[in-house]
Amino acid sequence: EIVMTQSPATLSVSPGERATLSCRASQSVSSTLAWYQQKPGQAPRLLIYDASSRATGLPARFSGSGSGTEFTLTISSLQSEDFAVYYCQQYNIWPYSFGQGTKLEIK
Amino acid sequence: QVTLKESGPVLVKPTETLTLTCTVSGFSLSNARMGVSWIRQPPGKALEWLAHIFSNDEKSYNTSLKSRLTISKDTSKSQVVLTMTNMDPVDTATYYCARMASGYYLYWGQGTLVTVSS
Repeated sequence: EIVMTQSPATLSVSPGERATLSCRASQSVSSTLAWYQQKPGQAPRLLIYDASSRATGLPARFSGSGSGTEFTLTISSLQSEDFAVYYCQQYNIWPYSFGQGTKLEIK
Repeated sequence: QVTLKESGPVLVKPTETLTLTCTVSGFSLSNARMGVSWIRQPPGKALEWLAHIFSNDEKSYNTSLKSRLTISKDTSKSQVVLTMTNMDPVDTATYYCARMASGYYLYWGQGTLVTVSS
């Protein structure tokens, strides 16, 4: 079973600045990794799939990178609506698994 | 338009069996490229993947919960059903169903909060 570890648990960033979120897999998942954004009271929203492909309509300030065991979600210039919790998910090996999340908060 | 909606009890007692239904629209459960998963989230905690059912009825389960979970589908009713036995207060969570597309989840239900308490 693949364990996904996200860091940091909480990230404090000012609006307009860059945010970098990390996700590590306990074994290689190739590029089969997705990122989701979740706001309070809402279901998760797909942001990135296949490690670096943006979901339809996602602003270009969101980008994903990495392969194997190390992945990064970067938000280039934070907007107020970007403050939320972010999860990574591997879909390379069953059972699929999520990371424990990174809370992105306003500094 | 793809939609998924979870339904089931809001409150169950410890040791009881939980049965949740996911009713889908906008796609067919018999589509070979589609499948539906159940995912849960305890209050204030992370997402936890529970189970998945493919169009050919093949299934996959969370390793640690496998003995308690059963997933099934009724294609004619466009429903996916999850049962979880021997419920415990730690199973209190929002339960989501989601449609898989090549491994990731583009479409999610709104979620249903299930509380386990006597």
